[in-house]
Amino acid sequence: DTGVSQDPRHKITKRGQNVTFRCDPISEHNRLYWYRQTLGQGPEFLTYFQNEAQLEKSRLLSDRFSAERPKGSFSTLEIQRTEQGDSAMYLCASSLLAGSEQYFGPGTRLTVT
Amino acid sequence: AQSVTQPDIHITVSEGASLELRCNYSYGATPYLFWYVQSPGQGLQLLLKYFSGDTLVQGIKGFEAEFKRSQSSFNLRKPSVHWSDAAEYFCAVGAGQTGANNLFFGTGTRLTVIP
Repeated sequence: DTGVSQDPRHKITKRGQNVTFRCDPISEHNRLYWYRQTLGQGPEFLTYFQNEAQLEKSRLLSDRFSAERPKGSFSTLEIQRTEQGDSAMYLCASSLLAGSEQYFGPGTRLTVT
Repeated sequence: AQSVTQPDIHITVSEGASLELRCNYSYGATPYLFWYVQSPGQGLQLLLKYFSGDTLVQGIKGFEAEFKRSQSSFNLRKPSVHWSDAAEYFCAVGAGQTGANNLFFGTGTRLTVIP
């Protein structure tokens, strides 16, 4: 069990650029979640997948955000036309089943300049 | 709507002293409750969870938490704090039919441990 991994760990980009983050869940986990954490706050739910199906999206996930999990394994989160307000830590988590505990990755810290 | 309140933004305790971190939740159904710990620059590590059954749950690193439905609380405790416990602690409630489709987190309590 290698845990949840995320890549990159840090990303600095200029406003208006597109960025893509990757998450590799624990291998046998069916559910994958994305959260966003800003400074001094707890993580906020963005979206989750059951295998390759995206089952729920938060209102925080604007049209500039898109997430995929094409083969039910790794997932990508893309942010188009980044804004300074997108600067945050993006956390990925996975769980074996619905209702079981979520295991978090180390996060990707995005800084938009 | 689901929500979690952690009233204490920052707590300082001496090493060896006891610790209690407060958490109050708002949720219409039976809650799934969690405590996570986050060290600087790290992801979140699960300390313990409550789904059902015994209201006093034991976790890792010597932590425990008690679910009190009448008070809508799930406070985290440790009898003797170690310097390595210094971190940010988050309480969370699970939403959805199976209780953990997504988690709602509190704003966290930062724990400082002094020698």
